[in-house]
Amino acid sequence: GENVEQHPSTLSVQEGDSAVIKCTYSDSASNYFPWYKQELGKGPQLIIDIRSNVGEKKDQRIAVTLNKTAKHFSLHITETQPEDSAVYFCAASEAGRTGNQFYFGTGTSLTVIP
Amino acid sequence: DVKVTQSSRYLVKRTGEKVFLECVQDMDHENMFWYRQDPGLGLRLIYFSYDVKMKEKGDIPEGYSVSREKKERFSLILESASTNQTSMYLCASSLLTAFSGNTIYFGEGSWLTVV
Repeated sequence: GENVEQHPSTLSVQEGDSAVIKCTYSDSASNYFPWYKQELGKGPQLIIDIRSNVGEKKDQRIAVTLNKTAKHFSLHITETQPEDSAVYFCAASEAGRTGNQFYFGTGTSLTVIP
Repeated sequence: DVKVTQSSRYLVKRTGEKVFLECVQDMDHENMFWYRQDPGLGLRLIYFSYDVKMKEKGDIPEGYSVSREKKERFSLILESASTNQTSMYLCASSLLTAFSGNTIYFGEGSWLTVV
């Protein structure tokens, strides 16, 4: 089955700096890669996603890159703000497969220091 | 707006009790999931279902069972709660359709403490 690894497990940055979180996956059949943000006491919320036919996607201060050959994808947050502090999870899935599962990384706890 | 609702946010149960965690989604999603979240271990899949009355074991099904009698409702059952089942439980749902993006949507979580 799929194995998703996520690094680092904790990350502290100064407000205004950039943050990068990296994930690798093992199953070449995976073709959909979402990122989730989980604030304290809440369930994870989708913040951005990318499909395997795209190399990069941006949404304001957030971007995701995908390298299918190397089987890794990354989340980039620019101009970080204190409200970006949360736990971030990457995931991999094979969209379209009946009963497809989502395989999650172990999470990155991001702290933005004001 | 997609909504996944977990009926109980915080529960305290005694060892040996039978525990029901209920989840309802309002988006007509085929897939529903139960995850367990523990510090340092991320999200671990307990069970999932891609159709009514269908269920598949995830990575850590021991000690748990599930029920899906209606498409919108997926219940997690702890037959005899134990202290090592103290955790946060997350319900989620997603579409089955190909090329939909298959985003998974989560509920707010249920914090279970077994004493």
